[in-house]
Amino acid sequence: AQTVTQSQPEMSVQEAETVTLSCTYDTSENNYYLFWYKQPPSRQMILVIRQEAYKQQNATENRFSVNFQKAAKSFSLKISDSQLGDTAMYFCAFIASGYALNFGKGTSLLVTP
Amino acid sequence: DAEITQSPRHKITETGRQVTLACHQTWNHNNMFWYRQDLGHGLRLIHYSYGVQDTNKGEVSDGYSVSRSNTEDLPLTLESAASSQTSVYFCASSEYQSEQFFGPGTRLTVL
Repeated sequence: AQTVTQSQPEMSVQEAETVTLSCTYDTSENNYYLFWYKQPPSRQMILVIRQEAYKQQNATENRFSVNFQKAAKSFSLKISDSQLGDTAMYFCAFIASGYALNFGKGTSLLVTP
Repeated sequence: DAEITQSPRHKITETGRQVTLACHQTWNHNNMFWYRQDLGHGLRLIHYSYGVQDTNKGEVSDGYSVSRSNTEDLPLTLESAASSQTSVYFCASSEYQSEQFFGPGTRLTVL
């Protein structure tokens, strides 16, 4: 079975601080792709960051970066300099066999002033 | 600009009725997907298609069907709506194992 676990249902961080969202996954595939999606109250699914499993270098997109530990099957998301607009549900997901996404249950992040 | 649209955005129906949710994409992607989102479950795959005339069942396909007659559209049909199918439905498309582009979602309520 291919599963994704997000162990933090809810998190809170103050504006300008740094927060890390955790994600672990399980797959028997060697080649796969990992994603973090953001879902703000508008409900739109927005890609935050993408990581190919064969790349050792951690992906970075502006204030968003990942810590990818392939052996541990861990893929955490770090948000630096948190902004009020980062308030959203965050989903960890991966694609192994085929092209469909396997999603975690999500982490609700609240950024407070 | 290319986009993916869903209609209707909101739908209320009664138990036992047939319902069809539309999904249309202008990305010219071969891969299209239907997911449902429920509190505490994240997004779960219902059906998917890798091209015209190709359809496949996902994790939660019971009570749903899809058809793919062209590249742009993948309608999702609930043959006989049940209260357990009250959910938010997302359509998505992609090319290979790259980013999936999502529609805005359809909120379906079955009374």
